[in-house]
Amino acid sequence: NAGVTQTPKFQVLKTGQSMTLQCAQDMNHEYMSWYRQDPGMGLRLIHYSVGAGITDQGEVPNGYNVSRSTTEDFPLRLLSAAPSQTSVYFCASSPSRQGPRSNYGYTFGSGTRLTVV
Amino acid sequence: EDKVVQSPLSLVVHEGDTVTLNCSYEVTNFRSLLWYKQEKKAPTFLFMLTSSGIEKKSGRLSSILDKKELFSILNITATQTGDSAVYLCAVNYPGSSNTGKLIFGQGTTLQVKP
Repeated sequence: NAGVTQTPKFQVLKTGQSMTLQCAQDMNHEYMSWYRQDPGMGLRLIHYSVGAGITDQGEVPNGYNVSRSTTEDFPLRLLSAAPSQTSVYFCASSPSRQGPRSNYGYTFGSGTRLTVV
Repeated sequence: EDKVVQSPLSLVVHEGDTVTLNCSYEVTNFRSLLWYKQEKKAPTFLFMLTSSGIEKKSGRLSSILDKKELFSILNITATQTGDSAVYLCAVNYPGSSNTGKLIFGQGTTLQVKP
């Protein structure tokens, strides 16, 4: 049982480049989300999805796109990377469309550390 | 504005000490409060609290919620060096479309010295 798998683990981009952060879960979870973590700011929600074909914006969506064509996959796209997007990115999933339920919380991936130079 | 505030932001204690971490929140339509422990990588789930006054306990860790005063505490007794981590508090609320969102606090960095 792999849980939530994120790739790559590390990435360095030049300003203006584009890339896709991959997230896959094998738990048949309805709910998936992307967070970024910056020092002193906790985790901030970028985008989330409550099922295949349904996505919505979180707190900090600018500069990022998502899609959810299957239940398992929820990729995050950076269209034109900027230094302000240097961060650690976490993907998370939950069995409920309403978010975490008792004794489950969210399952997080191991993170992608992105540096934009 | 919905927000979650944790205190203190950092804490240094010695093994065997007891620590109390605080989390206060202001959100509309509160659903639940969650505590996570984050070491090197991904946050790992500790507790979910939905009802006031009911303590959740796991070994040396315990947590309680006060929905009237809008806060929660996480207690760790007889701390060990392995408890060194960032402790994150998050609140689940429905948002505009009744789908769950988590809003996180800044985290409390706990360092336990031998």
